Amino acid sequence: DAKTTQPNSMESNEEEPVHLPCNHSTISGTDYIHWYRQLPSQGPEYVIHGLTSNVNNRMASLAIAEDRKSSTLILHRATLRDAAVYYCILRDERSNFGNEKLTFGTGTRLTIIP
Amino acid sequence: AAGVIQSPRHLIKEKRETATLKCYPIPRHDTVYWYQQGPGQDPQFLISFYEKMQSDKGSIPDRFSAQQFSDYHSELNMSSLELGDSALYFCASSPLAGGLSHEQFFGPGTRLTVL
Repeated sequence: DAKTTQPNSMESNEEEPVHLPCNHSTISGTDYIHWYRQLPSQGPEYVIHGLTSNVNNRMASLAIAEDRKSSTLILHRATLRDAAVYYCILRDERSNFGNEKLTFGTGTRLTIIP
Repeated sequence: AAGVIQSPRHLIKEKRETATLKCYPIPRHDTVYWYQQGPGQDPQFLISFYEKMQSDKGSIPDRFSAQQFSDYHSELNMSSLELGDSALYFCASSPLAGGLSHEQFFGPGTRLTVL
């Protein structure tokens, strides 16, 4: 399985943008880049995903490098409720009719400073 | 909107006992996944089901078994419990639309404590 590398922890001030990096140098052509987050005492929660182009949704933006070997999750204006562990996960969408399991690595623990 | 339901939310068992965890996926979701998260660890995939058939298997001990029923709910059966089985167990579900399912929806988890 292709692996991802993320910083163990990051801090950001409240109401400022946050850029969470992820390296995935062994990504294959059929791997989608997924981001999930896990708030304290909760189950993981989907944030965003993409393949090649940058993506935006109501929660965040995903910037994907042209060679796809890295990506950045962008929270445009962090709030205290964004404090969580953020996981960058590669998922091969060809396999198992699209119901591929999620392989969680060691994510980034994001702390928001009031 | 309806979410994934897991029961019980908390469970305390003695060593060598058995436990059954239940998961009720979001309506019209036909794929269920089970994950285990030990203290201070990241979630690890155990097993998944698609249309009541096992679709994938991870590092699930032989003492554990699972199935998905006709109403799509799933149960994780755990026997001969060990102290190391103490963990949060998450169930997730996803729909399959056109063969691609991008998002898994996680339940709140069952916290199992083995004494």
